[in-house]
Amino acid sequence: SAVISQKPSRDICQRGTSLTIQCQVDSQVTMMFWYRQQPGQSLTLIATANQGSEATYESGFVIDKFPISRPNLTFSTLTVSNMSPEDSSIYLCSVEGQGPTDTQYFGPGTRLTVL
Amino acid sequence: RKEVEQDPGPFNVPEGATVAFNCTYSNSASQSFFWYRQDCRKEPKLLMSVYSSGNEDGRFTAQLNRASQYISLLIRDSKLSDSATYLCVAENNAGNMLTFGGGTRLMVKP
Repeated sequence: SAVISQKPSRDICQRGTSLTIQCQVDSQVTMMFWYRQQPGQSLTLIATANQGSEATYESGFVIDKFPISRPNLTFSTLTVSNMSPEDSSIYLCSVEGQGPTDTQYFGPGTRLTVL
Repeated sequence: RKEVEQDPGPFNVPEGATVAFNCTYSNSASQSFFWYRQDCRKEPKLLMSVYSSGNEDGRFTAQLNRASQYISLLIRDSKLSDSATYLCVAENNAGNMLTFGGGTRLMVKP
């Protein structure tokens, strides 16, 4: 499976500010995904990021709040904009595995606390 | 109704016990299914895929019943290190979207 890193690993931010999370993969991948995991909850898909096209957002998530970049096949960023305490969560990126039956593999996550 | 439902637990079992987790899914078009394991403050990691024929990996056995839209995970001879949250996951027909269950928490005690 691919090696995935995320920066920052954690941050504490003031409400009203924005944070950009980076996701780096050690191999080229077509699809990258961004998830949110709120405290005590399971994972919810925010959007799918394909290189060279706009991200596809799931219901309840909009580009103005969570702009995503995908400049190449190994890198993506997710920005959490105009943060509020409700945005406190773990944000995870994932990539598809390379095999025919492979599923997704996750980065270590970014733990965000908004005061 | 959630698309993928699991009993949240916690399941508290002694070492050496056999424990089974169940999961149901509502989207009959889902094609592939997986169990992920998530340790506290860590990312989910793929435990195993789930096939209709059933599959076994050491102490772990996963089973899929498409007619009942039901998935199971059996852990035999539980170890302390099995303590984690187990996430049931369904993948859509296009193979590009995962839907996660809420997770089942397992605590194995000495």
